[in-house]
Amino acid sequence: DAGVTQSPTHLIKTRGQQVTLRCSPKSGHDTVSWYQQALGQGPQFIFQYYEEEERQRGNFPDRFSGHQFPNYSSELNVNALLLGDSALYLCASSLAGGYTFGSGTRLTVV
Amino acid sequence: GENVEQHPSTLSVQEGDSAVIKCTYSDSASNYFPWYKQELGKRPQLIIDIRSNVGEKKDQRIAVTLNKTAKHFSLHITETQPEDSAVYFCAASTETNAGKSTFGDGTTLTVKP
Repeated sequence: DAGVTQSPTHLIKTRGQQVTLRCSPKSGHDTVSWYQQALGQGPQFIFQYYEEEERQRGNFPDRFSGHQFPNYSSELNVNALLLGDSALYLCASSLAGGYTFGSGTRLTVV
Repeated sequence: GENVEQHPSTLSVQEGDSAVIKCTYSDSASNYFPWYKQELGKRPQLIIDIRSNVGEKKDQRIAVTLNKTAKHFSLHITETQPEDSAVYFCAASTETNAGKSTFGDGTTLTVKP
């Protein structure tokens, strides 16, 4: 039974570019949350998707957007990248409760 | 919104000693408090959680206590081992929406052999 898988594992982008990160939830999980974890800090909630809709959103600008597909997989898109967007982006999935994290995508903006 | 503070930021103990990490939260609506362990370069892994209808929960060498009145909860690790060395995060949320958790900034625990 595969856990939460994220791709790519590492990514380097230039300021101003756009990036798409992908997440496949654990089998049977229908809810996906995205977090940003800066170096030395705890994960910060970006948004949550359920039934293909954004259900909750944290304090992140509109440059951060997402999508959930019918198979429950999800994408995180970030436009107009800033140096400060460099972080580990974590996806977590759940079915009515406990959340399982993926290993994350390490995004570096140069 | 919710605000979670975690102390200490670093903790060094001798193998076999106990370690205690404390967190406070601000939103009285929070009723679900998980703890995660994150080893270097790896994903956060849930190690124990507690709900607001319980004051204490134990799982082998790990225990968590919750004081809803004071809005604080703590992680206790007894008989520490070198493999317990990691960053530990506390979090708070409502149980109906545990996916929108507010995390503390983490405690780096080092267990010296």
